Amino acid sequence: DARVTQTPRHKVTEMGQEVTMRCQPILGHNTVFWYRQTMMQGLELLAYFRNRAPLDDSGMPKDRFSAEMPDATLATLKIQPSEPRDSAVYFCASGWLSGYSYNEQFFGPGTRLTVL
Amino acid sequence: AQSVAQPEDQVNVAEGNPLTVKCTYSVSGNPYLFWYVQYPNRGLQFLLKYITGDNLVKGSYGFEAEFNKSQTSFPLKKPSALVSDSALYFCAVRLYTGTASKLTFGTGTRLQVTL
Repeated sequence: DARVTQTPRHKVTEMGQEVTMRCQPILGHNTVFWYRQTMMQGLELLAYFRNRAPLDDSGMPKDRFSAEMPDATLATLKIQPSEPRDSAVYFCASGWLSGYSYNEQFFGPGTRLTVL
Repeated sequence: AQSVAQPEDQVNVAEGNPLTVKCTYSVSGNPYLFWYVQYPNRGLQFLLKYITGDNLVKGSYGFEAEFNKSQTSFPLKKPSALVSDSALYFCAVRLYTGTASKLTFGTGTRLQVTL
């Protein structure tokens, strides 16, 4: 049963510390998304990759956030330095998508981040 | 701007009764529409999608949705609700920029099914 995995599931850190969240997409999927969910803002798309290349990171605060896909089995989202307002649940999702077709995205369980 | 709207923050329904969760969309061209469900402390799960073809789309767990072009709506329905259907439901629309696709999600509707 293929699924998206995310680590860590929970992270508590202090303001100013670096946070790295990892995602393993489903094997064979060509697109990976990073989302952030908060009570106030709902579900926000931060960035996404197609075939490991970044396609859109306009939803991401560039000064402190960075997203990469070092290989097809790993996507990372880093926050440096972290701030209390970054506290949220961060989801990774993957899917097989192309310009003319759109299949569903499969979501991971999320990383719950608390910045004190 | 292409978007979806979920006008209800919460929907309450008794078990066994039919349920409807509203969604309206605003897109240029033909819409690709989706419904996802989120259970507590879990990621979103795909329920169903409308791409083309029959306006009535059937999905997982007995859910269905009806695409209505004239009303620009895509409400999620189920003939008989279960307590286990209680969750957060998201409507989404595909946004295609010409080079890439992504989903825009609604704000979510919390469904509460009671005995």
